[in-house]
Amino acid sequence: DAKTTQPPSMDCAEGRAANLPCNHSTISGNEYVYWYRQIHSQGPQYIIHGLKNNETNEMASLIITEDRKSSTLILPHATLRDTAVYYCIVTSPLISGGYQKVTFGTGTKLQVIP
Amino acid sequence: ETGVTQTPRHLVMGMTNKKSLKCEQHLGHNAMYWYKQSAKKPLELMFVYNFKEQTENNSVPSRFSPECPNSSHLFLHLHTLQPEDSALYLCASSQDQGFDTEAFFGQGTRLTVV
Repeated sequence: DAKTTQPPSMDCAEGRAANLPCNHSTISGNEYVYWYRQIHSQGPQYIIHGLKNNETNEMASLIITEDRKSSTLILPHATLRDTAVYYCIVTSPLISGGYQKVTFGTGTKLQVIP
Repeated sequence: ETGVTQTPRHLVMGMTNKKSLKCEQHLGHNAMYWYKQSAKKPLELMFVYNFKEQTENNSVPSRFSPECPNSSHLFLHLHTLQPEDSALYLCASSQDQGFDTEAFFGQGTRLTVV
């Protein structure tokens, strides 16, 4: 799986957009970009994923650069409950043998401030 | 609620005890995983089962013994553990087919070895 690089921590004011960057310069053509988050002492929670195009769902938006070497997760209106560690992961079942293999890095600890 | 249920949520065991962690999913997934999360360390993939067959064992000590009797259940049998094995153990499942499916995680079992 391609390696990802994320800042270790970020702060965001409540109600503002949180923009979390991720570098994945060695991503291969069939690897997807996934974002998960882990709220303290709970299991990771899937947020969003994408291949080439920008994606949006009820939780967040994912912006992937044209060369696919980096991406940004956007939480449009951060709340205190969004305080968590956010993980950017690149993976593909084609590489792992048909199943989804999620390898976590250290992630970005997002602190939403009142 | 992710559809992946882990029991127990908390477990305290002595180094000579034998215990088992249980994971259950009824999402129709065929791939199941065990992860370990120690304090201040990234989540580490331990085992992967795909269609009830173990497909990955990431150099996990033999005192951890996984079992997958069917595609809905996954166990982690523990015996003669060490205090450094104290951690949050997370189970996950994912669809085995398709290029862009996500993993669903349970809430984890907080294990303390005394």
